Amino acid sequence: AQRVTQPEKLLSVFKGAPVELKCNYSYSGSPELFWYVQYSRQRLQLLLRHISRESIKGFTADLNKGETSFHLKKPFAQEEDSAMYYCALSGFVYGNKLVFGAGTILRVKS
Amino acid sequence: GAGVSQSPRYKVAKRGQDVALRCDPISGHVSLFWYQQALGQGPEFLTYFQNEAQLDKSGLPSDRFFAERPEGSVSTLKIQRTQQEDSAVYLCASSTISKAEGGQETQYFGPGTRLLVL
Repeated sequence: AQRVTQPEKLLSVFKGAPVELKCNYSYSGSPELFWYVQYSRQRLQLLLRHISRESIKGFTADLNKGETSFHLKKPFAQEEDSAMYYCALSGFVYGNKLVFGAGTILRVKS
Repeated sequence: GAGVSQSPRYKVAKRGQDVALRCDPISGHVSLFWYQQALGQGPEFLTYFQNEAQLDKSGLPSDRFFAERPEGSVSTLKIQRTQQEDSAVYLCASSTISKAEGGQETQYFGPGTRLLVL
C-alpha cells in the first residue's frame, strides 16, 4: 500500500536553528516525492519536488530510496517559515494523484 | 492570472441534506482532482478528471459521493444525505496534463470548502 508517514505533529525551533522535517514513505515502484506548504490563511502550495533537485526558500530535500525517506531540511530557520508542511508522493497510472502525510506544524520562535 | 477557486467557502448542512461543492480550475488545465481533508489529517484523494472524463474515482468513500465535470472545466462534487463523518475541508486542484518524462505537472490547489454537518 502507498503510505506517507510524518512522525512529528509539531516541530518547534528557535530562529536561526537548523530544521529537519521527517518524511518516510512506502511505495512499490518509483514514486515522485513532494513537499507542500500551507502558510496561515493561505492555500496549499508546492514547495519542492525531488525530481527538480532545487532549493526553495533555503529548503532542500533528498530522496533516500534505501531508507525510503524524503526529509526536508533548512540550515537556519526563519520566522516566516512557520507553517504546516505536508510530504506527498505520486506515481500512479492516471493523473498522478497525490498521497499525503498527516503534516507537521513548524513553529519558529524568535 | 486567477488561481483555482471554490465555492462556497463554508457550508453548514443538517444531517441528511444534499450539498454541492463547486470548483473552477485554472483556465486550460486538463487535469482536475478532488481531495478530502479531515481535521488534523492530510488531504486524501477522492477522484480525478481528465477533461470531462472521470478516470479515477477510487477514493470516493461511498455511493453518496458523486462528482462531475460535464464540459471539461468547472467541476461539482455532490454529497447526498450528508452524515457527520462527511465534515471536512474539500480541496480541488488542477494541473496541465501529466507528461511521461519530467515528472508530474504541479497541482494548484483551491482554498477549499469547509463542510460542517450537524
